[in-house]
Amino acid sequence: NAGVTQTPKFRVLKTGQSMTLLCAQDMNHEYMYWYRQDPGMGLRLIHYSVGEGTTAKGEVPDGYNVSRLKKQNFLLGLESAAPSQTSVYFCASSYAAALEAFFGQGTRLTVV
Amino acid sequence: RKEVEQDPGPFNVPEGATVAFNCTYSNSASQSFFWYRQDCRKEPKLLMSVYSSGNEDGRFTAQLNRASQYISLLIRDSKLSDSATYLCVATGTSGTYKYIFGTGTRLKVLA
Repeated sequence: NAGVTQTPKFRVLKTGQSMTLLCAQDMNHEYMYWYRQDPGMGLRLIHYSVGEGTTAKGEVPDGYNVSRLKKQNFLLGLESAAPSQTSVYFCASSYAAALEAFFGQGTRLTVV
Repeated sequence: RKEVEQDPGPFNVPEGATVAFNCTYSNSASQSFFWYRQDCRKEPKLLMSVYSSGNEDGRFTAQLNRASQYISLLIRDSKLSDSATYLCVATGTSGTYKYIFGTGTRLKVLA
């Protein structure tokens, strides 16, 4: 099983550029999440979705947008990248809110 | 105060040692708890769920103390391959759909 797949795995952006990170899961999970991980900060929730067509803000949503047009895909967009968005981004999915989450391999993003 | 707090370590222990990590959480209404393992530059992976009655999986034992709002992870007979960062996770209250992560505890098992 592929599980949770993120693309791309690495990216370097210039300040002001835009990009979309793709997360795909093949486990028929309802819930999907985008986190960022920074040294000393732990994993922080950016946005999440509780089902196809729904999205909601997490802890640090500013500067990001998301869409969940299909159940298996959750897209994270950066409209105008800033150096503060340099981070490792993880997508995760879960069958239900109180059950374990499964993570993708991460995207290392550098904004210069 | 962070919602989930862990000692960042590092914990340096010899091979074969027993090591224990504690984690405290602030939301008494948190419903589910987990320990995840994260290797350097890799994604977090579920190590074990934590049940109210405590649970064991081989060399790993997890316990939950709701009265004191902490969970623990005990690793017996440490292996070199146990070296990693261990993340404590609490879910939010019903309806919030959040996994709240601690910043992790680093473990290094020495030969």
